[in-house]
Amino acid sequence: GNSVTQMEGPVTLSEEAFLTINCTYTATGYPSLFWYVQYPGEGLQLLLKATKADDKGSNKGFEATYRKETTSFHLEKGSVQVSDSAVYFCALDNYGQNFVFGPGTRLSVLP
Amino acid sequence: DTGVSQDPRHKITKRGQNVTFRCDPISEHNRLYWYRQTLGQGPEFLTYFQNEAQLEKSRLLSDRFSAERPKGSFSTLEIQRTEQGDSAMYLCASSNNNSPLHFGNGTRLTVT
Repeated sequence: GNSVTQMEGPVTLSEEAFLTINCTYTATGYPSLFWYVQYPGEGLQLLLKATKADDKGSNKGFEATYRKETTSFHLEKGSVQVSDSAVYFCALDNYGQNFVFGPGTRLSVLP
Repeated sequence: DTGVSQDPRHKITKRGQNVTFRCDPISEHNRLYWYRQTLGQGPEFLTYFQNEAQLEKSRLLSDRFSAERPKGSFSTLEIQRTEQGDSAMYLCASSNNNSPLHFGNGTRLTVT
């Protein structure tokens, strides 16, 4: 079946540090891949997506590249801000079957 | 259009009671999903609809859970004979075919 694995948190960084959150997936075929973010007290929001191999999704300074050879979709940001503190979820959608989410990685950015 | 809306935002009930939640998706979206999220975990898939048809239901979902989407628009999720383990955030999301999911703010259920 389809599954998503993320690095365990929490991740604590200082402002302006480089961020990587690892995500790997298991799926048949060619799923679409997503990163969702959940800020404190809010619902899940789409952060970025990629629909085919080698696509790069980007938004708000975050990037992730769909790597089929390593079945990965790692999230990166060059310089994090305090306002990036949130829980980040990697997810996949395999041809409209149910979306599968990873367990989430909590990021705390200290000033 | 204001996005996916869920009602109520919070529900406190006693064990053994039945509860029903409502979700109104984005109007042009044909797919509607229900998820459950507990503290520190990712959303756990419960079921999803394409228009009014319920296409998939999680094997983890007990017979006490039922969902409907009678006219392919809003959906309801009912939990019968609630148990303390049902306490969670219940999330609704909608989409069009292969587009990303748009989530509501959820209904937080507390079973005492």
